[in-house]
Amino acid sequence: EDQVTQSPEALRLQEGESSSLNCSYTVSGLRGLFWYRQDPGKGPEFLFTLYSAGEEKEKERLKATLTKKESFLHITAPKPEDSATYLCAVQDVNTNAGKSTFGDGTTLTVKP
Amino acid sequence: DGGITQSPKYLFRKEGQNVTLSCEQNLNHDAMYWYRQDPGQGLRLIYYSQIVNDFQKGDIAEGYSVSREKKESFPLTVTSAQKNPTAFYLCASSAGNRGYTFGSGTRLTVV
Repeated sequence: EDQVTQSPEALRLQEGESSSLNCSYTVSGLRGLFWYRQDPGKGPEFLFTLYSAGEEKEKERLKATLTKKESFLHITAPKPEDSATYLCAVQDVNTNAGKSTFGDGTTLTVKP
Repeated sequence: DGGITQSPKYLFRKEGQNVTLSCEQNLNHDAMYWYRQDPGQGLRLIYYSQIVNDFQKGDIAEGYSVSREKKESFPLTVTSAQKNPTAFYLCASSAGNRGYTFGSGTRLTVV
């Protein structure tokens, strides 16, 4: 059974204080790993897809990296508007195409 | 602009009632999904559909039903058999091996 574990559950940072969020996963074979951002009361917004170990993707202050067992979402010099819940999800090569398993998320709060 | 529209935004259900949540997309995506989100938790898959007139149960399908008569539409019915339906419901679509596009969600409350 596919599993996704995100840590920490909650993270509080001062504006400009860089940090990382972790996503550990267990799949029989990775088709893709996805990061989403979710604001309160809204649907998640797609951020990145990573397909193979060693791959990196960047968008503004966010950088996602992937190893064979985990992914990190690095946040450099965060701003208050980066406050949100960040969700990680995986797709397994041995399940029907497109079906994702999600972690419980990390809620990030950035204080000015 | 292309996207997914979920309606209504808020829905109240009385005991013993069936209610239907709407999901429409204009992205021309083949695959559509329904997820349930409870406070502080991740998303759990209810049903998904990869093509018109075909759908599969997800991890928590009991008490729910769906239809996929048109590519653009994937409505979810929460039946009276679902004993704990209060949650945030999210519809999504995707094209191939890519990330999902989500709707804005429907918050269902039992009264």
